[in-house]
Amino acid sequence: AQSVAQPEDQVNVAEGNPLTVKCTYSVSGNPYLFWYVQYPNRGLQFLLKYITGDNLVKGSYGFEAEFNKSQTSFHLKKPSALVSDSALYFCAVSPDGNYGGSQGNLIFGKGTKLSVKP
Amino acid sequence: EAQVTQNPRYLITVTGKKLTVTCSQNMNHEYMSWYRQDPGLGLRQIYYSMNVEVTDKGDVPEGYKVSRKEKRNFPLILESPSPNQTSLYFCASSPWAGGTTDTQYFGPGTRLTVL
Repeated sequence: AQSVAQPEDQVNVAEGNPLTVKCTYSVSGNPYLFWYVQYPNRGLQFLLKYITGDNLVKGSYGFEAEFNKSQTSFHLKKPSALVSDSALYFCAVSPDGNYGGSQGNLIFGKGTKLSVKP
Repeated sequence: EAQVTQNPRYLITVTGKKLTVTCSQNMNHEYMSWYRQDPGLGLRQIYYSMNVEVTDKGDVPEGYKVSRKEKRNFPLILESPSPNQTSLYFCASSPWAGGTTDTQYFGPGTRLTVL
């Protein structure tokens, strides 16, 4: 079965420190990978995506993510965390339509709550 | 302003009373989708549509119906709501350029409580 795992329910970091939010996936074929962020009482906002090409993807608000095919991971990173980065982060994968999946089917992880303290 | 709108934003209803949550986008997007968000479960896709009159089941379609008669609207219908459908619902749309999944734009959410 195709799935996304975010192994940490919560990540706590101090402002100014680097942050990593982990994501691993299981999908047939070539995955399309996404990160979304949800601020309190808001809908989700797109951060970045990996479709093909360079394994290091840069996105909004200084975030980046590295696609690692051998480890089937797509961890979200930021060199220096801000208090305003505190939010719920979702990793998502869309399966490769050539391997029986539908590219319209987007599978989300359970989310990781990021808390950045001053 | 480019946006996805949902109505109502909050709804409390009783078991068995049919309801519809509307979703509309003004970006001329091909793709639209419905998700439900539950604590500890993240977002799960209910239904999606890649074009007018084309809809497909997501991961949790049971108890829901959708229709896509026009490009901009994608209503979610609960024919006979049950308490296990109490959840936060999000509608989303994307351009669907070239057949790859593109960035999705999410609505503000509808919090539904079924008593």
